[in-house]
This record gives sequence, C-alpha cells and structure tokens, in this order.
Amino acid sequence: ETGVTQTPRHLVMGMTNKKSLKCEQHLGHNAMYWYKQSAKKPLELMFVYNFKEQTENNSVPSRFSPECPNSSHLFLHLHTLQPEDSALYLCASSQRLAGGSSYNEQFFGPGTRLTVL
Amino acid sequence: GEDVEQSLFLSVREGDSSVINCTYTDSSSTYLYWYKQEPGAGLQLLTYIFSNMDMKQDQRLTVLLNKKDKHLSLRIADTQTGDSAIYFCAESLPNQGGKLIFGQGTELSVKP
Repeated sequence: ETGVTQTPRHLVMGMTNKKSLKCEQHLGHNAMYWYKQSAKKPLELMFVYNFKEQTENNSVPSRFSPECPNSSHLFLHLHTLQPEDSALYLCASSQRLAGGSSYNEQFFGPGTRLTVL
Repeated sequence: GEDVEQSLFLSVREGDSSVINCTYTDSSSTYLYWYKQEPGAGLQLLTYIFSNMDMKQDQRLTVLLNKKDKHLSLRIADTQTGDSAIYFCAESLPNQGGKLIFGQGTELSVKP
C-alpha cells in the first residue's frame, strides 16, 4: 500500500450506532488531519495531530472522538451521530506541522462516505 | 478573518482554456495551493505559489497571484475531458503550523 488509505470507503449507520473510521499513511509523515467535506462548502478541518499529540480541535462536537496511537494511524470514533453529520470524511498527512512560513503539502486519502440515517 | 471563496461551477469545451478564480481575505498568506479532486478520490496537490511570486507556470497550468486584490487564479490550457474535477484553492498562514484554509471548490465540467 502506498500513500494514504482510508477504511471503510462507505459507511451507513443509524443514529444510535458506534463505528470507527481508520486512516493509515505509508509516507513516513508525522502530522495527520481529519477533514469533513460537505457539498458546496469549504473543507472543514476537524482535528490535527503532530507526532501523535493533538494540536487542534476545531470546535468539533464530542460525538466525534479522534485517536492517534502512532504517527502512521489515525482513527475517528463515531457515536450517536446526527443526519447532518453525513458527509465525506477525509484524512490527510504531511511531513510535520510547519512553523513560521514553511511550505506544507498535505497528502489526502480517498475519504469515507458516511451516511447517517 | 480567514476566508477563501471560489465560484461553484465552470463549464468549458474541450480544447479551450479554463480559468478558475479564488479570492482570499488574509493578506499574510504565505503559500497558496491548488488541489484537484476527481470523483471518488481524495484531493491531490496540482501546484502551489509562494506569496512573493506573481506567476508560476507548469506545463498546461498557469497560476497568477494578485496580492493587492487577494486574487488567485488557475489557468488550464487546452482543457481535456480528463480535467473534469473539483478544484480547491487553499492558503496557508504564518505561525499556524501549516494549517490550510480551503475554499468551497469549483466543479469544472469539460464538454467534448
């Protein structure tokens, strides 16, 4: 496997279910990100991890719970979601969080299409 | 504040040039990026420009940056049906750890 992979690619869940999204990067990067992509809206940054430490939580509801056990893996645990949480969830990675004015290319996975019924 | 805006749709004929526009509000942007998202896929970096440059050319792609007007554009020459995708503009800000602020994306439709 190369690049950034995400599983599952599609997920349908009820509002009372608990599920997890998984992201794995094979690029040797140290920063990982979760984004939410809804139609016709800007990508919303949800969480950022740098060297396994969470550095940003962008006012995300507690029904979304991230976990980063090591620099290669990132999870998003979901519970008691709402229909408005239906979206494409994208994972990305980069070399590290860049300080100052450094260039920061992020590499994206294909996303998990989540539908909440 | 941080805001990046793009028009939502653009339709062109195969062989024509496409110009996708983006405006941003934060004048301290250091790098500006163009990402491409094909159906069913994640975002892929197409090109980027450093804020002290006015123009960057890479094969069929030309990026123009007007810092005074906070306007960024991506020109695709000789547009092909394979260029049909959603194009995202993004900016990175200094001292924010590489955080990217994305626009809504412009859906480019190329008709034969």
